[in-house]
Amino acid sequence: KNEVEQSPQNLTAQEGEFITINCSYSVGISALHWLQQHPGGGIVSLFMLSSGKKKHGRLIATINIQEKHSSLHITASHPRDSAVYICAVRFRSGNEKLTFGTGTRLTIIP
Amino acid sequence: GAVVSQHPSWVICKSGTSVKIECRSLDFQATTMFWYRQFPKQSLMLMATSNEGSKATYEQGVEKDKFLINHASLTLSTLTVTSAHPEDSSFYICSAREAGGAFSAYEQYFGPGTRLTVT
Repeated sequence: KNEVEQSPQNLTAQEGEFITINCSYSVGISALHWLQQHPGGGIVSLFMLSSGKKKHGRLIATINIQEKHSSLHITASHPRDSAVYICAVRFRSGNEKLTFGTGTRLTIIP
Repeated sequence: GAVVSQHPSWVICKSGTSVKIECRSLDFQATTMFWYRQFPKQSLMLMATSNEGSKATYEQGVEKDKFLINHASLTLSTLTVTSAHPEDSSFYICSAREAGGAFSAYEQYFGPGTRLTVT
């Protein structure tokens, strides 16, 4: 069964802390997306990964294909990073469809 | 990066009326567009997949006659909610995918969403 699990569901941290959000999936994938959704709803695509590691500003995403696991890291977290972070996976057997994790609600306290 | 726009960003309509939501890819050609629905504090639910020039493929449980999707060009897809009812109130998000081209192949870009309230 094609499943995506994220952890933690909720995360509260102090400004400046290093943040890690995890995503695990059940079977082989062709791509994994990390998405950010702010209150108000708009979704921003942060990364698309199929292997290795990507970095953009204070955000880093890694993926381990063998372990079927990806992490999203935020360095020097800031209150504006407060949002829901969603892992979405395109399974090889799933045609073009994305399967979404339940999201991690991140709150950064000043 | 690629940009996907949606219009309107929010809409309030009366029960029984129809509402059209537009999704445009602004700087790339979207061979495939996806329509999602999101209820409060829940994840995105795929409603349908549309390919330019062909009929949309609807997910199980989504009424084709109620949610009309038209992908008439490589930059525009529309979702029309017909005879809207209060239970159709939701956040509707479109996403577009470009195969090849200037941006990463098979990257999927999301629109900002449309909040529909049916009174």
